[in-house]
Amino acid sequence: GQQVMQIPQYQHVQEGEDFTTYCNSSTTLSNIQWYKQRPGGHPVFLIQLVKSGEVKKQKRLTFQFGEAKKNSSLHITATQTTDVGTYFCAGSNTDKLIFGTGTRLQVFP
Amino acid sequence: EAQVTQNPRYLITVTGKKLTVTCSQNMNHEYMSWYRQDPGLGLRQIYYSMNVEVTDKGDVPEGYKVSRKEKRNFPLILESPSPNQTSLYFCASSLNGGLLLETQYFGPGTRLLVL
Repeated sequence: GQQVMQIPQYQHVQEGEDFTTYCNSSTTLSNIQWYKQRPGGHPVFLIQLVKSGEVKKQKRLTFQFGEAKKNSSLHITATQTTDVGTYFCAGSNTDKLIFGTGTRLQVFP
Repeated sequence: EAQVTQNPRYLITVTGKKLTVTCSQNMNHEYMSWYRQDPGLGLRQIYYSMNVEVTDKGDVPEGYKVSRKEKRNFPLILESPSPNQTSLYFCASSLNGGLLLETQYFGPGTRLLVL
């Protein structure tokens, strides 16, 4: 079945350092979504990418969708302590959304 | 306020004792879904519903049942809970399902412990 892998599983960074998480699908995706889950909270939608090669920015966050629509990345520039949480990608090519395993980000002040 | 609500938020039960976790959304969304979240495994879909009276299995449906008699409600039923169903459960809804899934709005989660 369709699988969506995410790396790394954990990342610890010093405040001000950059952070990137990568998402890879075993099959071509129609779209990819990114969610953030704060500790003790629920996933909250960040963004959706649909087009091959698409790049979107939200302040310090940059999202990319690969040319083959099988991979994606989220890059955070100059992390802040408010960026702490788990970041999930979620891809679909049917009526199901398959979530990646998530990357837990810890930011040390 | 637009939201997805779940009840209960926390539940401790024993093996074999039937339980229901309710989920309700007030956004008139057609698509609703249940996920379980376990360490290292991310979010795995249990069941989903494209609309009233339409439900389908997700990736891990064994041991669970759902129903969608009304648009706003999508209860998750564990007929005979077992310890391997100890998990954090999330209900989610979106405007429509289909190839380009809309943003999913998640409920606050239900933490279940089965002894």
